[in-house]
Amino acid sequence: DTAVSQTPKYLVTQMGNDKSIKCEQNLGHDTMYWYKQDSKKFLKIMFSYNNKELIINETVPNRFSPKSPDKAHLNLHINSLELGDSAVYFCASSQDRGWGAGELFFGEGSRLTVL
Amino acid sequence: QQQVKQSPQSLIVQKGGISIINCAYENTAFDYFPWYQQFPGKGPALLIAIRPDVSEKKEGRFTISFNKSAKQFSLHIMDSQPGDSATYFCAASKTISGTASKLTFGTGTRLQVTL
Repeated sequence: DTAVSQTPKYLVTQMGNDKSIKCEQNLGHDTMYWYKQDSKKFLKIMFSYNNKELIINETVPNRFSPKSPDKAHLNLHINSLELGDSAVYFCASSQDRGWGAGELFFGEGSRLTVL
Repeated sequence: QQQVKQSPQSLIVQKGGISIINCAYENTAFDYFPWYQQFPGKGPALLIAIRPDVSEKKEGRFTISFNKSAKQFSLHIMDSQPGDSATYFCAASKTISGTASKLTFGTGTRLQVTL
């Protein structure tokens, strides 16, 4: 049983296209995240939602739009893709109280390649 | 600005040896310090974590040492095994709005354990 699942695992697309990545968690967590890992493996937070409400919104181009239809799902839509968007995008979830809030469970990642 | 500095960038240790990875942070608002282990093609997985009111935490072969006054913490892997070969990330967490945690990651250490 996969705790945090992302689809698709790989995306290859042309510059200027729009793409979406979907994420679902079955851990019963209230908080979900999107992280970006660049080619140097550096991990940086992009967004966080708690029970469908946006909590963290880092300095991310507004071509990136997260959507949380319910607390178990957090999707990421990217418009007008650019070469620099190529990266691995990780979805994660955590509890929203106490020390558990700092313990994130990550999905396996979605590798986006923009040509 | 890199708020969590991690060293070394890469580490080669013989089987049975001790692997040591060091991290330093700047922001005293961080309230939780997890370590993540990442295998190629997988998402980061929580390995061990420590709160700032504790100086050491041990789980099996993995130990975190934490020095609050120096704003430093380290991961020790005792009796290192080839299966430990992975990239290790330290992180520092700050609770946001009481419902989400913003993890700031170190730059990662690629550990290779040789036979």
